[in-house]
Formats: sequence, C-alpha cells, structure tokens
Amino acid sequence: DAGVTQSPTHLIKTRGQQVTLRCSPKSGHDTVSWYQQALGQGPQFIFQYYEEEERQRGNFPDRFSGHQFPNYSSELNVNALLLGDSALYLCASSLGAGGNQPQHFGDGTRLSIL
Amino acid sequence: AQKVTQAQTEISVVEKEDVTLDCVYETRDTTYYLFWYKQPPSGELVFLIRRNSFDEQNEISGRYSWNFQKSTSSFNFTITASQVVDSAVYFCALSRMNSGYSTLTFGKGTMLLVSP
Repeated sequence: DAGVTQSPTHLIKTRGQQVTLRCSPKSGHDTVSWYQQALGQGPQFIFQYYEEEERQRGNFPDRFSGHQFPNYSSELNVNALLLGDSALYLCASSLGAGGNQPQHFGDGTRLSIL
Repeated sequence: AQKVTQAQTEISVVEKEDVTLDCVYETRDTTYYLFWYKQPPSGELVFLIRRNSFDEQNEISGRYSWNFQKSTSSFNFTITASQVVDSAVYFCALSRMNSGYSTLTFGKGTMLLVSP
C-alpha cells in the first residue's frame, strides 16, 4: 500500500523563478493538504484541496497556488520565488476533509532558493 | 485563533531514561483534536496518536504514553526507557473537529536526542 509520495526530493531555484511540486496521496485518500516547514519550525498550513477545489487556505500570498487532479494527486506552484521560500514542503493526505481523519505525510520536497 | 506551544526546544537523555515532552494548546473551540507526530531526519512526519477533546483518558502504547488534561490545556507525551531510535523532532498539533476542514496547527517541535 503506497503512502504519500512527493517529487522531486530536492530542488534548487533562483529568486524570481517559478516552481511546481507534486504529490500523490496515499491509496484511498481523496484530500490533499500542503504545508511549508522552515528550518527549525513546525509546519505551516498553506492550503487544502478536496474534490478538485481549494477548500481552505492559510496565511500565504497569491504567489502560492495549487491544483488537484481527478485522480486526487496535487500540485503546488510558487511564482516569483523569494529567498524566504526556502523550506521543506510537505504534502499530507487524508480520507475526507473532516478533522476526524489523521493526515498522512510524505517525505517532503526540500526547496532551496539561491 | 489556535496556538500550540512546545516550550522545550531540545532535550538530551541517555538511553533507558524516561522523558516527557510538553505541549500546551490554545483554542476557542469546545471540541477539537490533538495529535503527536514524529519527524526523523528523513523529513517524513509520522503520525503517533490522535485524541479528541471529549476523551481525557490517558493512553499507553508500548513505551509511549500520553497525558491529556483539558483543565490545563496540556497534552504531554512520555517515552519510557528511551532508545536511540527515538531520536527525532516531535510535534504536537491541534485541529478543529467536524469543521469540514482538517487543517493542523503545529507547535515548533521538540528535538529529542537519545545517546547510547
């Protein structure tokens, strides 16, 4: 039973560029959430997708956008990259968008901005 | 607004010692979920436990135990007879219940170092 998979594992970009991160949810899960984890900090919620729609959004600018596909996989896009966007980006999946289902996390994509 | 505080930034113990990780939370909700996750150096967040605000019964799972006290808004995690493999960053998290949106609010984490 495959868990949450994220790609790529590592990514290096320069300021001003754009990046796309990808996530495949755990088998049977239909909800995907994205989190940003800066070094030495806890993960911060970016947004959540359910039924191909953004259902909730954290305190992140519009430079952060996403998409969910019919097979429940998801992408996170970040435009006009800033140095402060350097972080570990975690994808989590769950069954349904309710809080009663624990979220399962992938290994993350480590994004470095030069 | 919801907030989770893990006051201990880093804890170092010697193998076989017991260790308690503290977690204090703030929420205006009367119903909510509390979680603990473990993050080894690989980066993946591993789910350990979920408790709902209705149930203050303490829970034990092998060497792990959790003490939930609603009166003090605390959800502490104890590892008995710690092992080197327990070395990781541990996060306490909070989510709303039945809101339809299961977003997690995390603390800053506690790094546990268990030496042989």
